[in-house]
Amino acid sequence: DAKTTQPTSMDCAEGRAANLPCNHSTISGNEYVYWYRQIHSQGPQYIIHGLKNNETNEMASLIITEDRKSSTLILPHATLRDTAVYYCIVSPGYALNFGKGTSLLVTP
Amino acid sequence: GAVVSQHPSRVICKSGTSVKIECRSLDFQATTMFWYRQFPKQSLMLMATSNEGSKATYEQGVEKDKFLINHASLTLSTLTVTSAHPEDSSFYICSARGGWREPEGETQYFGPGTRLLVL
Repeated sequence: DAKTTQPTSMDCAEGRAANLPCNHSTISGNEYVYWYRQIHSQGPQYIIHGLKNNETNEMASLIITEDRKSSTLILPHATLRDTAVYYCIVSPGYALNFGKGTSLLVTP
Repeated sequence: GAVVSQHPSRVICKSGTSVKIECRSLDFQATTMFWYRQFPKQSLMLMATSNEGSKATYEQGVEKDKFLINHASLTLSTLTVTSAHPEDSSFYICSARGGWREPEGETQYFGPGTRLLVL
């Protein structure tokens, strides 16, 4: 069973920030928070990961709460190409257990 | 980012034949490779984990004699579906991870997937 809880679906207007929440209340001290996305019929694409601190890269920002029980993935300026299923996964860095993810629809 | 390729991208075969799928890490050494399977409208399910030079570790319910995994080098892993049947039709995806001391050590990078159709 996945150790994370995500909303089933979300909508976002093109050009706006997309904020995708994830709850992981049972996360262990050695587990990272990973975010991947999967566009239809493709392999998952790595977005970002973090352990305790907030992280930012060219794709997104990851905000992890101080107690590490939840996190938010932020796509600062969503485009139509960001429409995908987004997976939040907690793992010590080995096998990844994919849940159902959040289906993000970016609309014009 | 690190690049992982898969070949072929899609394959159609007759029931009873064997199919080999290749997974390559193109710009890093993959200490560990993983194989996943995804059925329509479902999430990815981990099938097995393989470390270079070692036997693969299979998840519960995955037949090791049916899904043969070889990880003979740090850049190549193969999955062979033996005596394929229509119920094996699925989207097979590999991922690769580098050694812990390498930049690619904490993260799995996925291939584009192979769509298998068994008639």
